[in-house]
Amino acid sequence: KAGVTQTPRYLIKTRGQQVTLSCSPISGHRSVSWYQQTPGQGLQFLFEYFSETQRNKGNFPGRFSGRQFSNSRSEMNVSTLELGDSALYLCASRADGGNTEAFFGQGTRLTVV
Amino acid sequence: KQEVTQIPAALSVPEGENLVLNCSFTDSAIYNLQWFRQDPGKGLTSLLLIQSSQREQTSGRLNASLDKSSGRSTLYIAASQPGDSATYLCAVNDNQGGKLIFGQGTELSVKP
Repeated sequence: KAGVTQTPRYLIKTRGQQVTLSCSPISGHRSVSWYQQTPGQGLQFLFEYFSETQRNKGNFPGRFSGRQFSNSRSEMNVSTLELGDSALYLCASRADGGNTEAFFGQGTRLTVV
Repeated sequence: KQEVTQIPAALSVPEGENLVLNCSFTDSAIYNLQWFRQDPGKGLTSLLLIQSSQREQTSGRLNASLDKSSGRSTLYIAASQPGDSATYLCAVNDNQGGKLIFGQGTELSVKP
């Protein structure tokens, strides 16, 4: 059974640009959540999508957005990149709701220069 | 607002020792708690999931306990090995959705 796949693994972008990250969950899973991990702030929740609808949202500016497709694959977009957006972005896949186990991908390392 | 704390922040032990990692949370109204392992620069690997109705879960050399009323969980690692070296994170789910609230992690180093 394939795990959670995130692409690309590494990205270097310039301030002001925008970026799109992709996450393919485990087959059959309907929930995808996104997290930002930095040395200073640790792991912080961005948002969760379930059956193509945003179900939960963290405290990030509107520059961070996401969507989920009918096949449960999810994309996260960050517009007008800032140096502080440099981080490891992780997505988590769940079969259903909060009672089920979360499985994470390997992450996308974003560096903003 | 739920807050999760892990103590200690770092731990170094000789190979073969049994050890305990601690996790505490401020709001006992949780659905479940999950322990993860993270190797440097990598994603998170799920170790154990404990539902709010459970007291403990075991997987191989790992045992996790949950005391909801006191807002505490412990991860017990038996007979530690150098391959156990990693950062261990606990996370609570206090909502019906998939939002996890993480502690800052305990960085474990097991010396040969």
